[in-house]
Amino acid sequence: GAVVSQHPSRVICKSGTSVKIECRSLDFQATTMFWYRQFPKKSLMLMATSNEGSKATYEQGVEKDKFLINHASLTLSTLTVTSAHPEDSSFYICSARDPASGSQRTGELFFGEGSRLTVL
Amino acid sequence: GQNIDQPTEMTATEGAIVQINCTYQTSGFNGLFWYQQHAGEAPTFLSYNVLDGLEEKGRFSSFLSRSKGYSYLLLKELQMKDSASYLCAVRDLLHTGGFKTIFGAGTRLFVKA
Repeated sequence: GAVVSQHPSRVICKSGTSVKIECRSLDFQATTMFWYRQFPKKSLMLMATSNEGSKATYEQGVEKDKFLINHASLTLSTLTVTSAHPEDSSFYICSARDPASGSQRTGELFFGEGSRLTVL
Repeated sequence: GQNIDQPTEMTATEGAIVQINCTYQTSGFNGLFWYQQHAGEAPTFLSYNVLDGLEEKGRFSSFLSRSKGYSYLLLKELQMKDSASYLCAVRDLLHTGGFKTIFGAGTRLFVKA
């Protein structure tokens, strides 16, 4: 199946700093990627849809100035948590569909490994 | 809006069969998915239903009734490694022509010996 890679897998930062998380589709091109956030023992909450070459679409309640998304190429989307605070500590996961595989028909998402952010 | 409900936790015995139910409400239904997620890891795709009926794939089967807004995931011959969270997810077609996938809270399955 398609491979989506996220980096870093874990990051610890001080309150007030910014953290960038990268999401790459390794063997396919993704015009659209999705960023989710997951709290412990909770579901994945869709934060935004990242669109290559255009602005991201944010879900209601998600601060676009807080969570900056850039999708500059067909294989890379980045999520930057700006001025991070302890309440931003969470598990962030990106996902994408592979247009060349059956997932384009089913809508199956391939997920990155996730990035666990801890803000001190 | 969208709403997805599934039980929080279930416990079953190794070798047994377990059924995890999911009910959903959505305005632009375009498919239902089941994902498996082990603690600390990303979800992995298990099954997809867009038409009514049963889809079977090895030890896993998934059923969908669109009129009832209902699905279930059936796991047979349970193994210890099946202990994980099972996420029911619905793809919603937006009025813009795009779509998004919304996840339920997940059902944590514990398989005991």
